[in-house]
Amino acid sequence: EAGVAQSPRYKIIEKRQSVAFWCNPISGHATLYWYQQILGQGPKLLIQFQNNGVVDDSQLPKDRFSAERLKGVDSTLKIQPAKLEDSAVYLCATSSQTNTGELFFGEGSRLTVL
Amino acid sequence: AQKVTQAQTEISVVEKEDVTLDCVYETRHTTYYLFWYKQPPSGELVFLIRRNSFDEQNEISGRYSWNFQKSTSSFNFTITASQVVDSAVYFCALRNSNSGYALNFGKGTSLLVTP
Repeated sequence: EAGVAQSPRYKIIEKRQSVAFWCNPISGHATLYWYQQILGQGPKLLIQFQNNGVVDDSQLPKDRFSAERLKGVDSTLKIQPAKLEDSAVYLCATSSQTNTGELFFGEGSRLTVL
Repeated sequence: AQKVTQAQTEISVVEKEDVTLDCVYETRHTTYYLFWYKQPPSGELVFLIRRNSFDEQNEISGRYSWNFQKSTSSFNFTITASQVVDSAVYFCALRNSNSGYALNFGKGTSLLVTP
């Protein structure tokens, strides 16, 4: 079974530029999450999708971050314009619609904002 | 509010030593789930265990064991006879029964096992 795929693995941009990250979930997984992990900290939830609907985006900085999950499969996370404090690893995770609660994570996309 | 505290930021042990990683949680809910994940240098978070709030039975899986105590709101993780490959950052996480499966993570404990 293929795992959660993310791209790009690494991205370096200057502040005020834009960037987009892509996530392809495990086949059949209805729930998809984007987490932000700043160096030395635990992952923090940015947004959660159930199929193509948003379940929780309370911690998403909506003035600069946006995310979509068209057709309930792949998802993209966009940052525009980026700030220095956005430097982090952006992790995508998915889970099936069962009650096990186990999240499967991708390898993450590491963003450096200069 | 719910919160996960991992007070140990970094731990260094010599191979074959036993090591315990502490996790203390706070939640208002009576039904919740606790998790441990491992994050090796490659960056991918790897699921280790899930425990629900109604099951306080300790669990052992090979060299790994978990001690869940609701009385002290703790869910500690012990590695017996540690190995170099155990070197990683370990995260404890909490999920309430009505949070849509999203996890709240602690800050993690970085474990270094040296030969």
